[in-house]
Amino acid sequence: GDSVTQMEGPVTLSEEAFLTINCTYTATGYPSLFWYVQYPGEGLQLLLKATKADDKGSNKGFEATYRKETTSFHLEKGSVQVSDSAVYFCALGSYNQGGKLIFGQGTELSVKP
Amino acid sequence: GAGVSQTPSNKVTEKGKYVELRCDPISGHTALYWYRQSLGQGPEFLIYFQGTGAADDSGLPNDRFFAVRPEGSVSTLKIQRTERGDSAVYLCASSDSPLGNTEAFFGQGTRLTVV
Repeated sequence: GDSVTQMEGPVTLSEEAFLTINCTYTATGYPSLFWYVQYPGEGLQLLLKATKADDKGSNKGFEATYRKETTSFHLEKGSVQVSDSAVYFCALGSYNQGGKLIFGQGTELSVKP
Repeated sequence: GAGVSQTPSNKVTEKGKYVELRCDPISGHTALYWYRQSLGQGPEFLIYFQGTGAADDSGLPNDRFFAVRPEGSVSTLKIQRTERGDSAVYLCASSDSPLGNTEAFFGQGTRLTVV
């Protein structure tokens, strides 16, 4: 079945460092890909998405490109801030599965000042 | 409120008891999803409603779990004869379309602890 694999955390970075969180997926068909973020004490929020191959999703300085050839959707940010500390989840969703999401296990990011 | 609301936020119950968890989706959202998130894991799909009907219940772990959405809005997840392994955060999400490229909005979850 469809699945998502994320790099394990926790990831600890200094402020202004470059961030990459790896995400690869296995899917039949042509899923949409998402990054969700969960800030401490808050619910899951959509960070960005891409609906087809080669699309780039971006939001709040974060970017991810849908790479069909490598089945990847890695999350990047050029300069992280303390406020980016959160748990990040990669997910896929398909129209033919009613839009249910399949999540990776999450990667905890801690940014130190 | 404008977001997805889940009640209670925390529930502690004894093993073997029955519990109900409630989800109020965003008004007008036709699609509603339940997920379960264990500690250190990503959310796992349980069930999906389109309107009043369960369109996909393939994620329900066993027949102790049941969910309803009688009027196509509020949904209740019901767990019978709870077990310690049921302890998790139960998340509800809604969207205005079941399409895979539509954003799903999540509630803050109900943390269930079975003692």
